[in-house]
Amino acid sequence: GESVGLHLPTLSVQEGDNSIINCAYSNSASDYFIWYKQESGKGPQFIIDIRSNMDKRQGQRVTVLLNKTVKHLSLQIAATQPGDSAVYFCAEAPYGTYKYIFGTGTRLKVLA
Amino acid sequence: DSGVTQTPKHLITATGQRVTLRCSPRSGDLSVYWYQQSLDQGLQFLIQYYNGEERAKGNILERFSAQQFPDLHSELNLSSLELGDSALYFCASSVVVTGGTEAFFGQGTRLTVV
Repeated sequence: GESVGLHLPTLSVQEGDNSIINCAYSNSASDYFIWYKQESGKGPQFIIDIRSNMDKRQGQRVTVLLNKTVKHLSLQIAATQPGDSAVYFCAEAPYGTYKYIFGTGTRLKVLA
Repeated sequence: DSGVTQTPKHLITATGQRVTLRCSPRSGDLSVYWYQQSLDQGLQFLIQYYNGEERAKGNILERFSAQQFPDLHSELNLSSLELGDSALYFCASSVVVTGGTEAFFGQGTRLTVV
């Protein structure tokens, strides 16, 4: 399959444990944030988004936390499964634009 | 399947050549975005079109150009190719113009310049 990046930080978690992937964003004008999952050989896939007027948003097994004070975003995956193994990207965008700025990505490895 | 179609999936070409990458957005989506993903730079926004007009520009080289046609499909033209242009090129589409919404990505075109 495709290799997204050879120098990505890697997070290894045991199957069934919770995963926390962190992201620092750069633009204080960004007010919309998204997490994407990219599996080998595939395009990025939307997971969850959050606006800057929120601190937390929950989806199915995923939670995104936003700390605007320190410009930090995190993605929590509950009960991590082998199918969660992928590269996860955060993206930020200023309001009204779609010039998503992607982070470098974190590779999540789920250990059986 | 995101509904965004990109062709070709793989492309191998020589330095100095010109190639065209094609993207068909999801049905009804008016916006198309192009991204470049290389090993050392992650996903880089190149350009956005909305309903045939250029809407936003990112780090797109002058050797690269894009357009969106009346049927909303888009093409990314890469010319005078260099080895460093080897990368995955993704197209994405979305329907909302203002505010935030998810962008749906195609499977990408893997360009290898030799």
